[in-house]
Amino acid sequence: AAGVIQSPRHLIKEKRETATLKCYPIPRHDTVYWYQQGPGQDPQFLISFYEKMQSDKGSIPDRFSAQQFSDYHSELNMSSLELGDSALYFCASSLISDNSYEQYFGPGTRLTVT
Amino acid sequence: GENVEQHPSTLSVQEGDSAVIKCTYSDSASNYFPWYKQELGKRPQLIIDIRSNVGEKKDQRIAVTLNKTAKHFSLHITETQPEDSAVYFCAAIITQGGSEKLVFGKGMKLTVNP
Repeated sequence: AAGVIQSPRHLIKEKRETATLKCYPIPRHDTVYWYQQGPGQDPQFLISFYEKMQSDKGSIPDRFSAQQFSDYHSELNMSSLELGDSALYFCASSLISDNSYEQYFGPGTRLTVT
Repeated sequence: GENVEQHPSTLSVQEGDSAVIKCTYSDSASNYFPWYKQELGKRPQLIIDIRSNVGEKKDQRIAVTLNKTAKHFSLHITETQPEDSAVYFCAAIITQGGSEKLVFGKGMKLTVNP
């Protein structure tokens, strides 16, 4: 079965640079979520999209923005990167229109800011 | 907002023993409780979930129980095996206008000694 795809898998950036992370949800899933997981931490919700509209916002810095496109893929844009942004970034997708709450995670993008 | 507490933070057992992880949640509106297993550097994997209209659910060696009155839920793993070693996260979902963001507990590191 198709899973959530994320790219790139690893990214190294310098402070103050920008980064773009991409997520391709499971086909037919209508909702995409972004989570940030620091070392030894639990995943923290950043933002979600339902049918290409932002549906909820969590602890996402103003330096970050995201959108979901017509083909349902999503991109997380991160500007003015800081050392503290180094983390695993997971995208998850679900099909909530049928009351299915299961969220399936992608393999993650490991971002390292130097 | 929702707050999920998880304990213990670490647990070490001998192969074949049972392991229990306990979580509490704060918002009585939460109605879906998934459990994720995460190996080092990998994605969180959904292993079992329970909805608020069910008190117990079992899948082979794992089972989850939910006490809505006390607002706590537990994961039970029987006949543990070394490959069960990982970090386990409980989570709760609050439905908010079409968004179901996961609120995670802090995680429990399980070590199964052969």
